[in-house]
Amino acid sequence: DTEVTQTPKHLVMGMTNKKSLKCEQHMGHRAMYWYKQKAKKPPELMFVYSYEKLSINESVPSRFSPECPNSSLLNLHLHALQPEDSALYLCASSQDNLAGAQSYNEQFFGPGTRLTVL
Amino acid sequence: QQQVKQSPQSLIVQKGGISIINCAYENTAFDYFPWYQQFPGKGPALLIAIRPDVSEKKEGRFTISFNKSAKQFSLHIMDSQPGDSATYFCAARRDNAGNMLTFGGGTRLMVKP
Repeated sequence: DTEVTQTPKHLVMGMTNKKSLKCEQHMGHRAMYWYKQKAKKPPELMFVYSYEKLSINESVPSRFSPECPNSSLLNLHLHALQPEDSALYLCASSQDNLAGAQSYNEQFFGPGTRLTVL
Repeated sequence: QQQVKQSPQSLIVQKGGISIINCAYENTAFDYFPWYQQFPGKGPALLIAIRPDVSEKKEGRFTISFNKSAKQFSLHIMDSQPGDSATYFCAARRDNAGNMLTFGGGTRLMVKP
């Protein structure tokens, strides 16, 4: 199973709502990533979890709150978002994210959640 | 600051032709250079990746050419097919930054039948 699943596929929310995005993988990967992708742009890294601990936060506003309940699950909690936060939110996983690996540690991406903030 | 520059932004190729996408980088700390393919409504998927000590890598119709001294690399798609129509991203991984990728700006490829 080389699949990363994300739910929901689409989400529309108001600026006062609280919602969560969910990501799951069963490949035994110990690194998981959240990316934001705007239309016609490359993915932008938001957060990295390594062995269930937050290792990288790319200066993301606090209205985005990640959570890694276990090694297979990654959540992104959303609160008080702005219309400019509308984007495709991608989750990815890799075997790990340790430096110095002799081969490319492939990041497997999920299909994303299309988020619209009204 | 864009550390990986990708060109062209868009490309139209006839079926059977060769599609060529170029990328250039500045940071010599990059140690892997993967290419990702993304179809509309889907997440990116790895196509092929190369290390900087290899000048060329081929997998089927896809070839990466790498010029370390020029800090440039390119993707060649031979015998391009309409099913190859997608957005392609080159990327670079920093060897001391926990598998983090820096993406190029992307190239939207359309292969005409």
